[in-house]
Amino acid sequence: GDSVTQMEGPVTLSEEAFLTINCTYTATGYPSLFWYVQYPGEGLQLLLKATKADDKGSNKGFEATYRKETTSFHLEKGSVQVSDSAVYFCALSWTGGSYIPTFGRGTSLIVHP
Amino acid sequence: DAGVIQSPRHEVTEMGQEVTLRCKPISGHNSLFWYRQTMMRGLELLIYFNNNVPIDDSGMPEDRFSAKMPNASFSTLKIQPSEPRDSAVYFCASSHRDGYGYTFGSGTRLTVV
Repeated sequence: GDSVTQMEGPVTLSEEAFLTINCTYTATGYPSLFWYVQYPGEGLQLLLKATKADDKGSNKGFEATYRKETTSFHLEKGSVQVSDSAVYFCALSWTGGSYIPTFGRGTSLIVHP
Repeated sequence: DAGVIQSPRHEVTEMGQEVTLRCKPISGHNSLFWYRQTMMRGLELLIYFNNNVPIDDSGMPEDRFSAKMPNASFSTLKIQPSEPRDSAVYFCASSHRDGYGYTFGSGTRLTVV
């Protein structure tokens, strides 16, 4: 079945550092890929998405590129802020049919001033 | 739009008591999902409804858990009797039938003592 694997956390960075959170997936075919963010005490919010190979999703300075050849969708940000501290979830889903997202375990990001 | 609304935000109850969690989905969304989030198991899908009908409850951990959706604007998740291992954050999410607009509520933090 479908699965999503994320790097273990927590990821601890200083403000303005470069961020990468790795995500790889296993699926038969080419699903849509997503990053969700969960701030403390809140539910998951959609951060960005990509629906086909080589698409780049971006939002709030975060980017991720759908890499079919490596089945990856790594999240990056050039300069993190303390306010980016949260848990980040990679997910995949299919349009139509089985559209319920399959989520990774989440990666906690802690940014220090 | 007010988003997905869950109540209560926090619930503390004694073992053996009945607990009812509530969810109001986004107006116009046809699908509703209940999740449980713990450190040990991550985010688990418990059950989901399409057009108020339960479609897949295979994630419900045991018979102590039940969920209903009497109409398009309200759903409940009930645990009876509650146990300490049920302590978790429970999320409700809703979306259109094809998965568009997948949105989470802010969750209910349940503590069973």
